[in-house]
Amino acid sequence: GQQVMQIPQYQHVQEGEDFTTYCNSSTTLSNIQWYKQRPGGHPVFLIQLVKSGEVKKQKRLTFQFGEAKKNSSLHITATQTTDVGTYFCAGGYNNNDMRFGAGTRLTVKP
Amino acid sequence: GAGVSQSPRYKVAKRGQDVALRCDPISGHVSLFWYQQALGQGPEFLTYFQNEAQLDKSGLPSDRFFAERPEGSVSTLKIQRTQQEDSAVYLCASSPIMGNTEAFFGQGTRLTVV
Repeated sequence: GQQVMQIPQYQHVQEGEDFTTYCNSSTTLSNIQWYKQRPGGHPVFLIQLVKSGEVKKQKRLTFQFGEAKKNSSLHITATQTTDVGTYFCAGGYNNNDMRFGAGTRLTVKP
Repeated sequence: GAGVSQSPRYKVAKRGQDVALRCDPISGHVSLFWYQQALGQGPEFLTYFQNEAQLDKSGLPSDRFFAERPEGSVSTLKIQRTQQEDSAVYLCASSPIMGNTEAFFGQGTRLTVV
């Protein structure tokens, strides 16, 4: 079935260090979305990638979509305390379904 | 309203009680998703609607779970004979068009079964 795996489950970094989270799908995706959820909040959309090999940047965040459209990554350069939260990928499938990864919880030590 | 609205925000149910969770999506949004989020976990897919049609309900954990969207707008997730393992935050999300696009989430309903 459609399944999205995300690693690592937790990441604790010192402020200023980089952070990366990875997603893999068992089947080819039509697109991938990334969301951020702050503690006690709900997921908030960050970006969507559609094209094979696509790379998009938002300030210190870099999002990549793999050539085979089965994997994706989110990289944060020089983390700040405001980056704290859980980052989820969500794989979109051709049947319009959307499945979330388990998320990577990022904590940043000042 | 401006966003996805869910009610109630919090619900405490006694084991065996039936509950109904409501989702008001953004007006005009075609797609509507229900997710279950346990503490410290990612949102687990429950079901998906396109307008009033329930296209995928493969994530519903048992036949005690039932969802409907009869007029293609408001949706209700019903859980019969609640069990302790049903305790979670239930998230509703909507998106404006068919096909995968940005999903807007509600604040969720935190269900606690005691």
